[in-house]
Amino acid sequence: GAVVSQHPSWVICKSGTSVKIECRSLDFQATTMFWYRQFPKQSLMLMATSNEGSKATYEQGVEKDKFLINHASLTLSTLTVTSAHPEDSSFYICSAGSTGGSSEQYFGPGTRLTVT
Amino acid sequence: GQNIDQPTEMTATEGAIVQINCTYQTSGFNGLFWYQQHAGEAPTFLSYNVLDGLEEKGRFSSFLSRSKGYSYLLLKELQMKDSASYLCAVKDSNYQLIWGAGTKLIIKP
Repeated sequence: GAVVSQHPSWVICKSGTSVKIECRSLDFQATTMFWYRQFPKQSLMLMATSNEGSKATYEQGVEKDKFLINHASLTLSTLTVTSAHPEDSSFYICSAGSTGGSSEQYFGPGTRLTVT
Repeated sequence: GQNIDQPTEMTATEGAIVQINCTYQTSGFNGLFWYQQHAGEAPTFLSYNVLDGLEEKGRFSSFLSRSKGYSYLLLKELQMKDSASYLCAVKDSNYQLIWGAGTKLIIKP
């Protein structure tokens, strides 16, 4: 199956700073990437859908100015958490895949963010 | 609204069989997925159903009834490594994935 990588796998930052998470599709071109957040013992929550070369589509309740998404190429999407706060501490997961039919989503390994 | 229900937690014995149920109410249907997620890791794809019936893949099988809005994941010959959360997800009419909260499966020796 297709491989998606994420970097970093975990990060600790201070409150008020910004953190960038990279998501790369290693062996295929991903026109669409998805960013999820998962709090402990809860399900995946879709934050936004990003399409290469266009603006991301954010889910209701997700602040687009706080969670900046850039999908500049067919193999790279980035999520920047700006002015991070402790409540932003979570497991952030990206996935890649097309939206149609039977296409499964290929998930990256996730990034554990801790804001102190 | 859109809703996917699955049990929060189940316990089974090593070597046994377990069935994890999933019911859904979504605006449209374009397929149902099952994913496995180990603690602290990302989900991995298990199965996809779009037509009614049973899809078998090794020790895992997935069943779908669209008229009932119902699916189940059947795990046979349980192994300790099967301890994980199992996520049911449905693609709605907009091809957006709607996720269930997941079922935590605990395997006991």
